[in-house]
Amino acid sequence: EIVLTQSPGTLSLSPGERVTLSCRASQTFSSKYLAWYQQKPGQAPSLIIYGASGRATGIPDRFSVSGSGTDFTLTISRLEPEDFAVYYCQQFGSSPRTFGQGTKVEIK
Amino acid sequence: QLQLQESGPGLVKPSETLSLTCSVSGGSITSAYYYWGWIRQPPGKGLDWIGDMFYSGITYYNPSLKSRVSMAVDTSNNQFSLKLTSVTAADTAVYYCARRTSGSTYDYWGQGTLVTVSS
Repeated sequence: EIVLTQSPGTLSLSPGERVTLSCRASQTFSSKYLAWYQQKPGQAPSLIIYGASGRATGIPDRFSVSGSGTDFTLTISRLEPEDFAVYYCQQFGSSPRTFGQGTKVEIK
Repeated sequence: QLQLQESGPGLVKPSETLSLTCSVSGGSITSAYYYWGWIRQPPGKGLDWIGDMFYSGITYYNPSLKSRVSMAVDTSNNQFSLKLTSVTAADTAVYYCARRTSGSTYDYWGQGTLVTVSS
């Protein structure tokens, strides 16, 4: 099983700041098998990024991803108020599909 | 617009069977392009994949739950279901149903339903 470790656990930032979220895997896999989800309080997760660079419908280009092998990053270039949420990475390259434990981006 | 809605008991006794149904509207569960899945989230914790299924009956389960989980599809009602046997308090979670794309991401989710395992 591929274990995904996200860091940091919580980030306290202000609107307008740049944020980088890390997702580290216990085994190497291709970035095309990585996805990122955003979850707001009381809501279901929603897909924001899939594969190496695909943004889900309606996701602005301030969201981007990078990385390879075991280290992957989600970057939000400039935080908007609606971006404060918990972010999860997910791998679907091998079974079982696994998620990271999440990084919370909160308002400072 | 595709919508998914979970339904089922919110309280299940230990050792009994958890049963949930996901009703799909705005799209057909028999689409050749999608699988249908279940993901759960214990209170205050992260996401755990339970399993996926195709309308033909093909299923993929998390090995950690495989001995207790089963999924089924009801094409006449555009629904699919989850059964989890011999539940314990560790199975207390919000259970989400979701559509899995051919790229294996989950692009539509239900709102989730909290299932508490307690006597």
